[in-house]
Amino acid sequence: NAGVTQTPKFRILKIGQSMTLQCAQDMNHNYMYWYRQDPGMGLKLIYYSVGAGITDKGEVPNGYNVSRSTTEDFPLRLELAAPSQTSVYFCASSLLEGEAFFGQGTRLTVV
Amino acid sequence: GQQLNQSPQSMFIQEGEDVSMNCTSSSIFNTWLWYKQEPGEGPVLLIALYKAGELTSNGRLTAQFGITRKDSFLNISASIPSDVGIYFCAGLNYGGSQGNLIFGKGTKLSVKP
Repeated sequence: NAGVTQTPKFRILKIGQSMTLQCAQDMNHNYMYWYRQDPGMGLKLIYYSVGAGITDKGEVPNGYNVSRSTTEDFPLRLELAAPSQTSVYFCASSLLEGEAFFGQGTRLTVV
Repeated sequence: GQQLNQSPQSMFIQEGEDVSMNCTSSSIFNTWLWYKQEPGEGPVLLIALYKAGELTSNGRLTAQFGITRKDSFLNISASIPSDVGIYFCAGLNYGGSQGNLIFGKGTKLSVKP
């Protein structure tokens, strides 16, 4: 009964390093999303996917990349980490548009 | 871009009191959703609304999709300590950026036992 699983839960990166945030869902959902949440703010959409092989930019895509080679997995890549990317990242999936199930989040600090 | 104005930003209430919060927008939405987020967790969907005027309940929670399609309300009756958390509204438009949920900034609820 895993739902949406995100790894790692916490990470500290140095400026300029790269990393991949992993996201996997076992509900056979077509839609998957990456959001970032900054303190006192709502969630902002980074990228989303409507199915394997299809991805599209959200509101704040700069500095990130995604891929969707399978229905289950939707990794988020940071190529050159910057302090502005310090945030909590949430992956989500949905069967229908909007009714998203969220993972527990990855707390990323860039120093 | 589209924005949601959620109010109040925070609430401090006594256990047993009723709670009301709302979300407004200058844009029309086809779907309104309400989520709750507890510390260290991801948001959890509470209620989804699909039709203007729709009133939907989930236990002690009741939400309404405004007639103008530009607002939504969430009420919590007889609050209890486990209601503590941040409540987010979210609006969705089909036919725009597909899959793009717009979130409000949240209402932080504190409940005194």
